[in-house]
Amino acid sequence: EDQVTQSPEALRLQEGESSSLNCSYTVSGLRGLFWYRQDPGKGPEFLFTLYSAGEEKEKERLKATLTKKESFLHITAPKPEDSATYLCAVQARNSGGSNYKLTFGKGTLLTVNP
Amino acid sequence: DAGVIQSPRHEVTEMGQEVTLRCKPISGHNSLFWYRQTMMRGLELLIYFNNNVPIDDSGMPEDRFSAKMPNASFSTLKIQPSEPRDSAVYFCASSLAPQGRKYEQYFGPGTRLTVT
Repeated sequence: EDQVTQSPEALRLQEGESSSLNCSYTVSGLRGLFWYRQDPGKGPEFLFTLYSAGEEKEKERLKATLTKKESFLHITAPKPEDSATYLCAVQARNSGGSNYKLTFGKGTLLTVNP
Repeated sequence: DAGVIQSPRHEVTEMGQEVTLRCKPISGHNSLFWYRQTMMRGLELLIYFNNNVPIDDSGMPEDRFSAKMPNASFSTLKIQPSEPRDSAVYFCASSLAPQGRKYEQYFGPGTRLTVT
């Protein structure tokens, strides 16, 4: 069974204080690892897809990296508007059929204080 | 594009009543997913469709839950009869997988269900 564990559960930063969120996973053949941002009362918003170890993706102050066992979401010089819950999900490679389901972690609640 | 559309946004009902949640996926997407989110369990996949056909319903909690996708632009999730433990936020998501290796899913705003 695919499993995703995110840490820490909650993180409080001062504006400008860089940090990283962790996503550890076990999956029977990784097709892709996905990062989402979720604001209160809204649906998850897609950020990145990573497909293979060593891959990196960047968007504004966010940078996602991937190894064979975990992914990191690095936040550089965060601003209060970066406050949200960040979700990680994995999709397993399926040898047959059309199985594109995602298994999500429980997320990291990030709070950035001004 | 308008994104994934869900209705209603909020639903309050009494135990035993039937509840129907609705979803319109992004035009052109061929996969549709229903999720449930709670504080305790996070986001859980209930069922998903590919080309309007149910592929995996192993996440459906019990027979009280059913889902249909009569065409490429509409899906429903029905709970009958509803129970207080069904209270959660229900999300619909759609995807273009596997065309162009686009596996990411795009989520709707969710329906917050409260069963009293």
